[in-house]
Amino acid sequence: AQKVTQAQTEISVVEKEDVTLDCVYETRDTTYYLFWYKQPPSGELVFLIRRNSFDEQNEISGRYSWNFQKSTSSFNFTITASQVVDSAVYFCALSGWSGNTGGFKTIFGAGTRLFVKA
Amino acid sequence: EAEVAQSPRYKITEKSQAVAFWCDPISGHATLYWYRQILGQGPELLVQFQDESVVDDSQLPKDRFSAERLKGVDSTLKIQPAELGDSAMYLCASSLGAGGEQFFGPGTRLTVL
Repeated sequence: AQKVTQAQTEISVVEKEDVTLDCVYETRDTTYYLFWYKQPPSGELVFLIRRNSFDEQNEISGRYSWNFQKSTSSFNFTITASQVVDSAVYFCALSGWSGNTGGFKTIFGAGTRLFVKA
Repeated sequence: EAEVAQSPRYKITEKSQAVAFWCDPISGHATLYWYRQILGQGPELLVQFQDESVVDDSQLPKDRFSAERLKGVDSTLKIQPAELGDSAMYLCASSLGAGGEQFFGPGTRLTVL
């Protein structure tokens, strides 16, 4: 069975603070993909990043960075120098092979709501 | 920029009525997903298509929900009859293939009275 846990329900920071959103996953697959999505107040989910299970290199994109550690089954997301526009709900997701359906199945975590105050 | 289109954006219906949602994925995307998102929760996969075939509908309440993607392009999700507990956001997403990054439409917010 696959599972994604985002233990932080809500985080509140002041602008320019760094913030890390945690994601822990469970899967028995050797091939899987991990994702982060952003859902701003407007409601539409926006893709941020995709990593495959064989690539543990950390990635940086502007103020965003991701730390993938298979040893701890974690895929954490850090926003550096947060801005008010970063206020949103962030979802971690896992796509793994489902033997039942013979295809990749995606499950989402419950999300972390980030508030960035000016 | 290519986008996933969904309609309607909002739907209010009474319980026991039938409702239908439409989704047009990004051109060339073989995989199409329907999710249900209840307020405060993450999206839950209802059904996944690969071209015109259903590859996963294990979470679809098949006694009242149906989905089709007849020509492997656009898709329709139907609920009949709607129940109060069906009030939620229904999201459509598409990807080039299974396991790929998913691009989401704006969603249809359903309210069942």
